[in-house]
Amino acid sequence: GAGVSQSPSNKVTEKGKDVELRCDPISGHTALYWYRQSLGQGLEFLIYFQGNSAPDKSGLPSDRFSAERTGGSVSTLTIQRTQQEDSAVYLCASSPAGVVAGAETQYFGPGTRLLVL
Amino acid sequence: GENVEQHPSTLSVQEGDSAVIKCTYSDSASNYFPWYKQELGKGPQLIIDIRSNVGEKKDQRIAVTLNKTAKHFSLHITETQPEDSAVYFCATMEYGNKLVFGAGTILRVKS
Repeated sequence: GAGVSQSPSNKVTEKGKDVELRCDPISGHTALYWYRQSLGQGLEFLIYFQGNSAPDKSGLPSDRFSAERTGGSVSTLTIQRTQQEDSAVYLCASSPAGVVAGAETQYFGPGTRLLVL
Repeated sequence: GENVEQHPSTLSVQEGDSAVIKCTYSDSASNYFPWYKQELGKGPQLIIDIRSNVGEKKDQRIAVTLNKTAKHFSLHITETQPEDSAVYFCATMEYGNKLVFGAGTILRVKS
């Protein structure tokens, strides 16, 4: 079946502009996660959705970052007033049930490569 | 919070040889330990995982061992092939299902 998809695959923007990144999880997956992968920080957790709610936003690096999920499916990660240090690969993952099921496999999408000039 | 250390950062092996990557973690409450393989331009792909109620798990040429007392776990790849060349990440899962990753190991299999 279809895996996690993300769009765009690449995004180049100018410092100060806003960007929106999209994630389509595996159909039926309740839990959705955003991670960031950068050279200096490795793979780091940003935010977790259980359905449309975000019980854990602890990884968002600043108030310029926000995310939402609608209809228990698609999620968008928005970065306002982008800075050069926001350049990274933004990865989305989904899992069938989330915390209620305990530890379960997270399936990752291909990522969006963001470059802020 | 959880801290995961991964070694080595790079590993070169001859085709057909074995490769071993090791990780240590800090939180004794961790109970789920996945390994991911990431190829250039792609997202991480789960290759094997282990839970704290077992000490070893094997899937064809790939095996993972877990020592909860020492808080370390290892990935073993036997009979390596060129297509095994990639970046490998270990991870643990904190409460709330957030994955904490090691820094990654670049594996090069020379043919």
